[in-house]
Amino acid sequence: AQSVTQLGSHVSVSEGALVLLRCNYSSSVPPYLFWYVQYPNQGLQLLLKYTSAATLVKGINGFEAEFKKSETSFHLTKPSAHMSDAAEYFCAVSGPNTGFQKLVFGTGTRLLVSP
Amino acid sequence: GAVVSQHPSRVICKSGTSVKIECRSLDFQATTMFWYRQFPKQSLMLMATSNEGSKATYEQGVEKDKFLINHASLTLSTLTVTSAHPEDSSFYICSAIRGQGLTNYGYTFGSGTRLTVV
Repeated sequence: AQSVTQLGSHVSVSEGALVLLRCNYSSSVPPYLFWYVQYPNQGLQLLLKYTSAATLVKGINGFEAEFKKSETSFHLTKPSAHMSDAAEYFCAVSGPNTGFQKLVFGTGTRLLVSP
Repeated sequence: GAVVSQHPSRVICKSGTSVKIECRSLDFQATTMFWYRQFPKQSLMLMATSNEGSKATYEQGVEKDKFLINHASLTLSTLTVTSAHPEDSSFYICSAIRGQGLTNYGYTFGSGTRLTVV
C-alpha cells in the first residue's frame, strides 16, 4: 500500500522567501504523486502532479516539485512566497494496487506567510 | 476545465435527523466518485468509493448504514448521513474522476460541506 509523510505540520516563511514543503512517499512500485492546496472551508485545488513523466513538475501559481526516487521524496517549492500562498497543503499518492483510483493523503502542512 | 459542484456548502441539522449532500460533475461524466471526511485541522479520510450503477465500496470502519451513498448517474452522487449525531459534525468533501487506471484524467474536488449537528 502507498502512503505519504509530510514533515512539519506548520511552516512559517516571510513574504518573498523560499517555500519548501516536504513530502516523502512509501511505495513498492512507481506511484503517482500530487500536491493539493486547501483554503479555509473549501475543497482541494490541484497544484501539480507527477505521473512518471518528467521528474521536475511545474504547477500553478509558481509552485514546482521534483520526484526523487533515490530519496523517495516529492517536495514542493516556490522561489518567492506571497501572502496569498497561506493555506493548507496536502501531498497525496495513488498507485497501481488500486488502479490509480484512490488517493491517500498526508496529514497536511499549514503554510503561514508573514509580511 | 472539470468542475464538481457540491451542495449544500453548509448545513445545520438536529440530532436524529438525516442530511443529504449532493456531488455533481458539471461538465464531464464521472466514472468514479469519492467521499471524504475531514476533521478540523486534519487530513482527508476516504470514506467510500462509488461507481455509477453499483454499490459503494466503504473503507474499513465506516458505517455503511449510517453513511448512505447513491451514485445514480454518471454526474451525480449523494451522501446521506442518517440519524445524525453531534459526532458526525465534520467537513465532507467529494471528488470525481474521469477515466480509469492510467487514463485517469485527474481528480476534481467539490468545495465541501460543513455539517453541524446540534
